Amino acid sequence: NAGVTQTPKFQVLKTGQSMTLQCAQDMNHNSMYWYRQDPGMGLRLIYYSASEGTTDKGEVPNGYNVSRLNKREFSLRLESAAPSQTSVYFCASKATGRSSGGGGEQFFGPGTRLTVL
Amino acid sequence: GENVEQHPSTLSVQEGDSAVIKCTYSDSASNYFPWYKQELGKRPQLIIDIRSNVGEKKDQRIAVTLNKTAKHFSLHITETQPEDSAVYFCAASIRGTSYGKLTFGQGTILTVHP
Repeated sequence: NAGVTQTPKFQVLKTGQSMTLQCAQDMNHNSMYWYRQDPGMGLRLIYYSASEGTTDKGEVPNGYNVSRLNKREFSLRLESAAPSQTSVYFCASKATGRSSGGGGEQFFGPGTRLTVL
Repeated sequence: GENVEQHPSTLSVQEGDSAVIKCTYSDSASNYFPWYKQELGKRPQLIIDIRSNVGEKKDQRIAVTLNKTAKHFSLHITETQPEDSAVYFCAASIRGTSYGKLTFGQGTILTVHP
């Protein structure tokens, strides 16, 4: 049981290049999330997927796209990378149920450190 | 949308002292408040959480208190140890959704000096 995995761990891009960050979970969770973490700003939600087949914008979606490929996988794409997207990216997943009322633990992946030059 | 403010941004204590981190939230509909700990270079991990129908929750040296009227909640760590050194994040979740979208505070860097 690997939990939440992310690839790659590190990436350096030049401005204008594109790339896809991969995330997978083996906990049979319905909901998945992408965050970015910048110093002094906490974790900010980029996109989330409440369930397979649905995606929604979070707090900072500009410059990103996502795909919920299946229940296990949720990818984040940067179409034209910019230096402002230099950050650490975390994927997370959570089991859902109406009894949770919005609560419950989110499990995070190990993160991807992205630098855009 | 929800806004979560966290203070202080840095906190330095001596081993054995207590540490308190405070958060305020803006949306009165929020009903779930977790705290995450992130060690250097690692992923955030849940350490304790509280729901709006409870005023206080304890787990060994860690406790969380919630004041719904004032819309603030706090993390209390007693008898701090060097391994408590990390970044701590509070968060809030808006009621009515089953997918648990969290809004995080800015984080507190806690340093425990031996």
